[in-house]
Order: sequence, then structure tokens, then C-alpha cells
Amino acid sequence: GENVEQHPSTLSVQEGDSAVIKCTYSDSASNYFPWYKQELGKRPQLIIDIRSNVGEKKDQRIAVTLNKTAKHFSLHITETQPEDSAVYFCAASDNSGNTPLVFGKGTRLSVIA
Amino acid sequence: NAGVTQTPKFRILKIGQSMTLQCTQDMNHNYMYWYRQDPGMGLKLIYYSVGAGITDKGEVPNGYNVSRSTTEDFPLRLELAAPSQTSVYFCASSYNQGGTEAFFGQGTRLTVV
Repeated sequence: GENVEQHPSTLSVQEGDSAVIKCTYSDSASNYFPWYKQELGKRPQLIIDIRSNVGEKKDQRIAVTLNKTAKHFSLHITETQPEDSAVYFCAASDNSGNTPLVFGKGTRLSVIA
Repeated sequence: NAGVTQTPKFRILKIGQSMTLQCTQDMNHNYMYWYRQDPGMGLKLIYYSVGAGITDKGEVPNGYNVSRSTTEDFPLRLELAAPSQTSVYFCASSYNQGGTEAFFGQGTRLTVV
């Protein structure tokens, strides 16, 4: 089955700097890669996703890139703000309906003001 | 539109007791999931369902049971609670199993003493 590795497990950045979180996956059939943000004591919520027919996607200060050949995808947050502090999870699945989302172990991002 | 609703939000159980965590969604999603999140850790899939009457084991099913008699409801049953089941439990649903956003409930914080 699918295995998703996520790095780093913790990340501290100064406010205004960029943050990058990287994930690798094992199943070449995976073609859907969402990112979830979980604030302290809250539920995970989708912030951005990318499909295998796209190499990059942006939404304001966040962007995701995908390298299918290398089986890795990354989350980029620019101009970080204190409210970006949270745990971020990457995930992977295929859209055949055969397998549920498989999550990485998460990255705790701290933005220092 | 309530989305995914879980009850209770908090519960303390004694070792050996049993309980049912309730989950209901009003989005007419076929796919529903139960995850557990241990402190500082990622999301591990316990059970999932692709539709009423159909359930399947995830990564960590031991000690749990589920049923799916309706599209809306997906209760999780803990039999003979053990301290290792102390965790935060999240129910989620999605329109499709892969390729679409998973919506999470607010979580149930369970402590077994």
C-alpha cells in the first residue's frame, strides 16, 4: 500500500521568511495530493491540493509543487505570519476509489514574531 | 449545513469499559472514515466505509468495531477500553474515496484510565 514520508517533523521560521515542507510517496498510482492544516485543538482542514496532471499550484501565499518522476511533492509558504503556526499534513491517494487518503506524520510549523 | 458532527467531544473511560463514538454527516457523502491521532503524532486510519452496509479495516483496527447502516451515520465502537486507546478520534467524510476533499469532524478526546 501507499506510504507517505514527511519532513521535517518540526520547523521554526522567523515571521516573513518562507517555509518548505516536503513529502515523498511510494505508490506510483497515486495522483491526488492534498495538504491539511491543523491548528492547536482544531480539526484538520484542507488548504490546497494538487493532481498529477499539474506540476505546480498557487493560492496567495501558499504553493504546492509535484514531481511525479521522483514521487515527491512540497508545500511552500511565503511571507509567513504567526497565524501560519500549526501542524501541516500531506496526504496521497488515487482517484480510482480503491484506497483512502494516506497521511504523512505531520510537520509542526512555528512562526516566530 | 453542519458538515461532520461528532459526539461526545470529551470522554473519560475506565479500563474495560465500552463506548460508542457517534459520527454523522449531512453532505450525502458515501465515504466515511475514522482516524485516531495520538499526542504529537499523525493520523492513523482505523476503519473506513465506502457506502451503507460496507466497511473495511484501516491501519489500526484492533480493539474497534464500526457499522454503517445509513449514509449519514458511522459510529465507532470501543470494546474493553485500554490505556493504549487514549487518543483524539476524528471522523471524516468525502464525496469520493480519492481525489476529493475529506471533511473532518471536530474530534473526540478520549482518555482511558
